[in-house]
Amino acid sequence: DTGVSQNPRHKITKRGQNVTFRCDPISEHNRLYWYRQTLGQGPEFLTYFQNEAQLEKSRLLSDRFSAERPKGSFSTLEIQRTEQGDSAMYLCASSLGGTGRVGANVLTFGAGSRLTVL
Amino acid sequence: AQSVAQPEDQVNVAEGNPLTVKCTYSVSGNPYLFWYVQYPNRGLQFLLKYITGDNLVKGSYGFEAEFNKSQTSFHLKKPSALVSDSALYFCAVRGSDNFNKFYFGSGTKLNVKP
Repeated sequence: DTGVSQNPRHKITKRGQNVTFRCDPISEHNRLYWYRQTLGQGPEFLTYFQNEAQLEKSRLLSDRFSAERPKGSFSTLEIQRTEQGDSAMYLCASSLGGTGRVGANVLTFGAGSRLTVL
Repeated sequence: AQSVAQPEDQVNVAEGNPLTVKCTYSVSGNPYLFWYVQYPNRGLQFLLKYITGDNLVKGSYGFEAEFNKSQTSFHLKKPSALVSDSALYFCAVRGSDNFNKFYFGSGTKLNVKP
């Protein structure tokens, strides 16, 4: 297992287009998170999954954003009708659930997918 | 509500000198606190965490952090900085509204000069 993988690493698109990002987490991790990071800021929580269930969505995630995690494995984040304000780094992270397990609560991040909306 | 503050956008230190990167937090109940490091074009990497126990937590690459409940702080420290420590450092806290959410500070850029 080589860690959390995100694709594509960079995406340049025109305003109004749809984009989709994919995240492949560490295989034994049952939790998967999406964060957004803009320049000079820390990661902002967008949504997370426990297995295939999406348990919470941030108010930052407008109706144009949708995330899925079919079968509790990889996840996709789709942004419809992109706007210039969507330009950011989209980070995926995975972790083990539970409290007593080694590595629980520790997020393993992918390298991110950078979106530029022209 | 919960939050993390990193009061310094940038910290400059000479190689070989001790370094401190500051973090204060606000959360209900017992805090779960974390430090992550981000190198250019890389994802955030876990350094260390505090959940319970000793107030001084040791982590990766010689880093340690001191938990101070009365000052609600969790400062990152290293006795002797290396040029290769230059990176962006983020403090994070586990949510008290939702134990499965994590809130990050705005980051501190550490510059270690030879």
